[in-house]
Amino acid sequence: EVVMTQSPLSLPVTLGQPASISCRSSQSLVHSGGNTYLNWFQQRPGQSPRRLIYEVSKRDSGVPDRFSGSGSGTDFTLKISRVEAEDVAAYYCMQGTHWPYTFGQGTKLEIK
Amino acid sequence: EVQLVESGGGLVQPGGSLRLSCAASGFTFSSHYMHWVRQAPGKGLVSVSHISPNGGTTIYADSVKGRFTISRDNAKNALYLQIDSLAAEDTAVYFCARDFSGSLDHWGQGTLVTVSS
Repeated sequence: EVVMTQSPLSLPVTLGQPASISCRSSQSLVHSGGNTYLNWFQQRPGQSPRRLIYEVSKRDSGVPDRFSGSGSGTDFTLKISRVEAEDVAAYYCMQGTHWPYTFGQGTKLEIK
Repeated sequence: EVQLVESGGGLVQPGGSLRLSCAASGFTFSSHYMHWVRQAPGKGLVSVSHISPNGGTTIYADSVKGRFTISRDNAKNALYLQIDSLAAEDTAVYFCARDFSGSLDHWGQGTLVTVSS
């Protein structure tokens, strides 16, 4: 199965400052059909995961535009342009190109 | 509005069994792969199993193969997970999630399974 590796696992950030999370896959996530199925989820404490980004860079409806996704092949990044208090959460990348879908270990964002 | 509501969790002794259910509404259930994902206390998300739209294909994580059985009833818009021979390491919140084009776009609120004597 595809191994997803996130870094850092803990991310202390000052309010208003940018944040960046890296996600690397053990094999290419480019599907035979040409799409790349790399997703990002946010999980606030005590809540279910919520999808933020799909297909590398497409934002879900209602997701603030301070969240952005980028990358290709095996190397992907989630960026938050200016961290707000409501962004305190765990963030997970997940690949949906190869069965079974697999998740990164998660990155816990906290306010410094 | 897409809704997924899990039920069936609880406290069970080691070696016991449980049947989790996920009631789906707000979409054409029979058109979608469906997944079970679990999260042990304080840990990350782990895919457990998924099932094809007609139920003909099922996939399991190695850690649960032979003990967990995923199934669905498209007439009832329901997804199930039968979990047998429970062990302490199966203690987790179990989420059902809808698959849409290489993603899990909707999740339920989860149901907690606690394995303890």
